[in-house]
Amino acid sequence: GNSVTQMEGPVTLSEEAFLTINCTYTATGYPSLFWYVQYPGEGLQLLLKATKADDKGSNKGFEATYRKETTSFHLEKGSVQVSDSAVYFCALRHTGNQFYFGTGTSLTVIP
Amino acid sequence: ETGVTQSPTHLIKTRGQQVTLRCSSQSGHNTVSWYQQALGQGPQFIFQYYREEENGRGNFPPRFSGLQFPNYSSELNVNALELDDSALYLCASSERRRGDNSPLHFGNGTRLTVT
Repeated sequence: GNSVTQMEGPVTLSEEAFLTINCTYTATGYPSLFWYVQYPGEGLQLLLKATKADDKGSNKGFEATYRKETTSFHLEKGSVQVSDSAVYFCALRHTGNQFYFGTGTSLTVIP
Repeated sequence: ETGVTQSPTHLIKTRGQQVTLRCSSQSGHNTVSWYQQALGQGPQFIFQYYREEENGRGNFPPRFSGLQFPNYSSELNVNALELDDSALYLCASSERRRGDNSPLHFGNGTRLTVT
């Protein structure tokens, strides 16, 4: 079946540190891959997406590359800010419109 | 562009009661999906509605039901509430097109507490 496995948190970083949140997936065929971010008390917001192998999604300094050979979609940012503190969810969509989400990784950035 | 709006924002119910949650989809979106997010977990797919019909369902019992209206707004109904139904219920809309990979656009959710 389809599933997403995320790096467990919580993750605590100092401002301007480098961020990596690991995400691997299980799916047949060629799913689309997404990163969503959830701020306290809010719903999920799309951060970036990639729809085919070797695509790189990017937004607000975050990047993730769709790696079919390793079934991964790791999220990276070169220099995090306090405002990046949130929970990050990796997700895939295979057929239809059903999304499969990971359990989320909580990030706290300290000044 | 109007985003996805959900009501109410918070709700407290007693075990065995019934609840209705409401969602207005984003302008231009014709598909609505509902997700349940338990504390500390990722969202779990409940079902999706397209053209006023259920179009896919996750692993949830029949006491979870829904409706989609001609204006694409939607309701989620849960009967015979159980304590484990306590969660954040998220509505998400999208535009369904052939070969499309459009993302979900989420509302801020309804926090349901069952006591």
